Amino acid sequence: QKEVEQDPGPLSVPEGAIVSLNCTYSNSAFQYFMWYRQYSRKGPELLMYTYSSGNKEDGRFTAQVDKSSKYISLFIRDSQPSDSATYLCAMSYSGAGSYQLTFGKGTKLSVIP
Amino acid sequence: SAVISQKPSRDICQRGTSLTIQCQVDSQVTMMFWYRQQPGQSLTLIATANQGSEATYESGFVIDKFPISRPNLTFSTLTVSNMSPEDSSIYLCSVEGGLAGAYEQYFGPGTRLTVT
Repeated sequence: QKEVEQDPGPLSVPEGAIVSLNCTYSNSAFQYFMWYRQYSRKGPELLMYTYSSGNKEDGRFTAQVDKSSKYISLFIRDSQPSDSATYLCAMSYSGAGSYQLTFGKGTKLSVIP
Repeated sequence: SAVISQKPSRDICQRGTSLTIQCQVDSQVTMMFWYRQQPGQSLTLIATANQGSEATYESGFVIDKFPISRPNLTFSTLTVSNMSPEDSSIYLCSVEGGLAGAYEQYFGPGTRLTVT
């Protein structure tokens, strides 16, 4: 079993839809949870991060973490064509190993106008 | 946020040859990272490069295959040696940064390598 599982999609939604992206993980030692967005032919960019169970909002984006179920989600409200990208979940440990990010495979999202 | 550039942006190489990828950052950083992104696979950390010390390699990656240099706080190189088609991948460098801590990493645009 891989440490981080993420459905690669592709996921295609109409503009304005609510998008739900998910990852599951097996290692309970993960303490920090991140979502990166990667546009085609670009490097990943950090979208959101959190370290506690619950929800964190930033504009149209909401990151949700359920440590008891080892499950994280990213919700995108009122999706826009500019949201079309690959979304990577990533996790890390606390302390000295915090820079060692473990990534999911990424979910490719297309928002259709 | 840090601005990172990589050279070359892409290359097509013959098997058995080597390619050196350069990573330049617009500010001084302590930790730089090299990743590989193979088609359909997770972004995988190859090694961590700190200035003034030997790079630290992750399991499955060795210095003979992926030698790394870190001559100063704004620059690093990754060499992919004795290449085979299995080395075809996107190689990315990243740096730590931001108030979020080491897990807030800024990535370069990547180097797309094809080995024939």
